[in-house]
Amino acid sequence: EAGVVQSPRYKIIEKKQPVAFWCNPISGHNTLYWYLQNLGQGPELLIRYENEEAVDDSQLPKDRFSAERLKGVDSTLKIQPAELGDSAVYLCASSQLAGGYNEQFFGPGTRLTVL
Amino acid sequence: AQKVTQAQTEISVVEKEDVTLDCVYETRDTTYYLFWYKQPPSGELVFLIRRNSFDEQNEISGRYSWNFQKSTSSFNFTITASQVVDSAVYFCALSGRIQGAQKLVFGQGTRLTINP
Repeated sequence: EAGVVQSPRYKIIEKKQPVAFWCNPISGHNTLYWYLQNLGQGPELLIRYENEEAVDDSQLPKDRFSAERLKGVDSTLKIQPAELGDSAVYLCASSQLAGGYNEQFFGPGTRLTVL
Repeated sequence: AQKVTQAQTEISVVEKEDVTLDCVYETRDTTYYLFWYKQPPSGELVFLIRRNSFDEQNEISGRYSWNFQKSTSSFNFTITASQVVDSAVYFCALSGRIQGAQKLVFGQGTRLTINP
């Protein structure tokens, strides 16, 4: 069974440019999460989807970040415009059951560098 | 508030030694879940264990064991006879309710290096 797929694995952009990350969860997993992981820190939740509905986006900086999960399968996280402080790893995870207390399966992440 | 503290930033041991990773948590919830995840250099977090707050039984899985003590709000992880492949960053996490939503809150992680 394929795991959570993320692309690209690495991205380097100039500040003020837009960037997008893509995630395909494990087949059959209705819940999808986007996390931000700064260097030397644990992941922090940005947004959680149950199917196509964003049920928790309280930590998403909505002035520059947006996300979508059309058709309730794969998802895209966008930053526009990117700032220097956005340099981090963006992790996608999925779980079979709803709620934030179930085992989550993580992708390898996208490492973003903003110059 | 939900908080997880992993006081050990880095640990380095020689192969075959036993090593314990500490995790202390804070929560006001009576029902919560605790997790350990492993993050190897490849980047993805690998689930190791989940414990609910009503189950204080210690668990052993091969060389891994977990000691959950509600009295001290701790959920420590021990690797017995460590191997080089155990080298990774290990995260302890707490699933609790924040602003009405169930969230997974991670500690800062402990970087474990097993030297041959």
